[in-house]
Amino acid sequence: AQKVTQAQTEISVVEKEDVTLDCVYETRDTTYYLFWYKQPPSGELVFLIRRNSFDEQNEISGRYSWNFQKSTSSFNFTITASQVVDSAVYFCALSEPLTQGGSEKLVFGKGTKLTVNP
Amino acid sequence: DGGITQSPKYLFRKEGQNVTLSCEQNLNHDAMYWYRQDPGQGLRLIYYSQIVNDFQKGDIAEGYSVSREKKESFPLTVTSAQKNPTAFYLCASKSRFDRTVGYTFGSGTRLTVV
Repeated sequence: AQKVTQAQTEISVVEKEDVTLDCVYETRDTTYYLFWYKQPPSGELVFLIRRNSFDEQNEISGRYSWNFQKSTSSFNFTITASQVVDSAVYFCALSEPLTQGGSEKLVFGKGTKLTVNP
Repeated sequence: DGGITQSPKYLFRKEGQNVTLSCEQNLNHDAMYWYRQDPGQGLRLIYYSQIVNDFQKGDIAEGYSVSREKKESFPLTVTSAQKNPTAFYLCASKSRFDRTVGYTFGSGTRLTVV
């Protein structure tokens, strides 16, 4: 079965520091998708990025960047010059096909709580 | 604007009572999901539905029930058989066959047993 491990339970940084959130996954699928979600204190999950298993290009979006390495089954997330508004719980997730119906579900890691202090 | 609406935001239940959490979407998505979140835990799948009038158990379905009578609606009932129902519940939806997009999540319902 698929598994996602986020080894960092909590991280605390000072504003403007760079921070990397780790994500390691396990899957037997050859085609799969990886996701990152942000959960602010309000509780709603905010979609950040998806990455398919055939595209190992790193991606940058403003202060956010993602490093996908298939060889180590990792999909790490870096926030550059962190801000207080980045404080949230961040979840890494992996798509897992459902046995019936053609759809799939997301398997989530336990999340990393990031606190950015002023 | 399209999205998912969960209600209520907060819900209190007495022990032994059944309660129903509402989830409505206007995204024309086929697939809908219920996840449970406990402190320090990831999200765990309770039930999912890929088409109307069909639904399947997820990883932690015991003590829960669902229905899917309309495409837009996927209510979750937390029954008295659920021994530890206090948690944050998130509903999600997505296009059934498109694996390239992520889920759209609702804002959640926080259920507390009193």
